[in-house]
Amino acid sequence: GAVVSQHPSRVICKSGTSVKIECRSLDFQATTMFWYRQFPKQSLMLMATSNEGSKATYEQGVEKDKFLINHASLTLSTLTVTSAHPEDSSFYICSARDSGTGGNEQFFGPGTRLTVL
Amino acid sequence: DAKTTQPNSMESNEEEPVHLPCNHSTISGTDYIHWYRQLPSQGPEYVIHGLTSNVNNRMASLAIAEDRKSSTLILHRATLRDAAVYYCILRRYGGSQGNLIFGKGTKLSVKP
Repeated sequence: GAVVSQHPSRVICKSGTSVKIECRSLDFQATTMFWYRQFPKQSLMLMATSNEGSKATYEQGVEKDKFLINHASLTLSTLTVTSAHPEDSSFYICSARDSGTGGNEQFFGPGTRLTVL
Repeated sequence: DAKTTQPNSMESNEEEPVHLPCNHSTISGTDYIHWYRQLPSQGPEYVIHGLTSNVNNRMASLAIAEDRKSSTLILHRATLRDAAVYYCILRRYGGSQGNLIFGKGTKLSVKP
């Protein structure tokens, strides 16, 4: 299947700093990408939908000024956690829809483990 | 998106078939049934999806009830690598394609 990569795979940062996570679709174009967050022993929670060339759509309860999303190209979306705090420590997973198949197929990245000290 | 109900956990023995059930009584006509699985500390992996007819691929089979209110993911011979959380998700296709909303899933344990 198609490949979605994330970088970094894990990051540790100090409280108050900002962290950027990249999500790339390696062998397909993705008009739409998604960002999920997963806390330990819980399911994935959709944070936002990222559309290439336009503003992201955030789910209820997700602060758009804290979780900045940029989808500048058909193969790259970035999530920046601004002024991170320990409660932002989580597993962040991106997902991308293959535009070439009409958006019917959706693939997930390997996740980024964020730890805020 | 319509909701699904799955058992919290199931156990299987290695090399035996596994039937993972999913109830989706409020499914609509344009909802596809998707199955993903997530191994520990990894992103979800696509398993299979279908609309009305049963589906087979190299990973699994999907049996869909005639009224579409339930479905079963079938792993024909479970291996230790199949131990994961399996998610049954309904996704609406069409002009306004729905998002993949994850429930709690079924945690499958495979015993050697």
